[in-house]
Amino acid sequence: DSGVTQTPKHLITATGQRVTLRCSPRSGDLSVYWYQQSLDQGLQFLIQYYNGEERAKGNILERFSAQQFPDLHSELNLSSLELGDSALYFCASSVGAGSETQYFGPGTRLLVL
Amino acid sequence: SQQGEEDPQALSIQEGENATMNCSYKTSINNLQWYRQNSGRGLVHLILIRSNEREKHSGRLRVTLDTSKKSSSLLITASRAADTASYFCATGLPGGYNKLIFGAGTRLAVHP
Repeated sequence: DSGVTQTPKHLITATGQRVTLRCSPRSGDLSVYWYQQSLDQGLQFLIQYYNGEERAKGNILERFSAQQFPDLHSELNLSSLELGDSALYFCASSVGAGSETQYFGPGTRLLVL
Repeated sequence: SQQGEEDPQALSIQEGENATMNCSYKTSINNLQWYRQNSGRGLVHLILIRSNEREKHSGRLRVTLDTSKKSSSLLITASRAADTASYFCATGLPGGYNKLIFGAGTRLAVHP
């Protein structure tokens, strides 16, 4: 158990809908990262937040947005969902902004029908 | 596009044998990390090697890094059935940011 929690574990929704994925980092970790894992694209970095501020951005679509709240939990919002958004979404956390080891949560499996 | 490419894509061995996985990457790195993923579950951090290190050990794991060839290898000695998983290399880039760029992974199957 990494100490990172993600909810929900599974999510089934329809195209065009909007969902919110939630992540609670390990106690004491200030950075949160979001990754998407799909069969065709592999593991892709989406976005990083550090202590409430956006720190780095990767291959995140404009339909997706994220935020980190004062209690350091983070939410990833996916809107206007398409079939191709079906994937595993992982959250990871680390102590600082430039820290090296990331601890991954169990993931949220999203299925868009 | 992905930074790291693992080789082989899949590896099947018997318990007790050693497993070697290779990773190549394209750009300068700050560090290189190896993660394990069991069947669609979360990733578990195995080992980190910095760009100025050449070899690192952790239990049955041995990692080497050759920055001149932009490659790394992960050796698992005396493998066990519980080692069956996908193994990913991930590069930490310089510049103060901590996003990791993952390779496509190697699927390891260890048969009893």
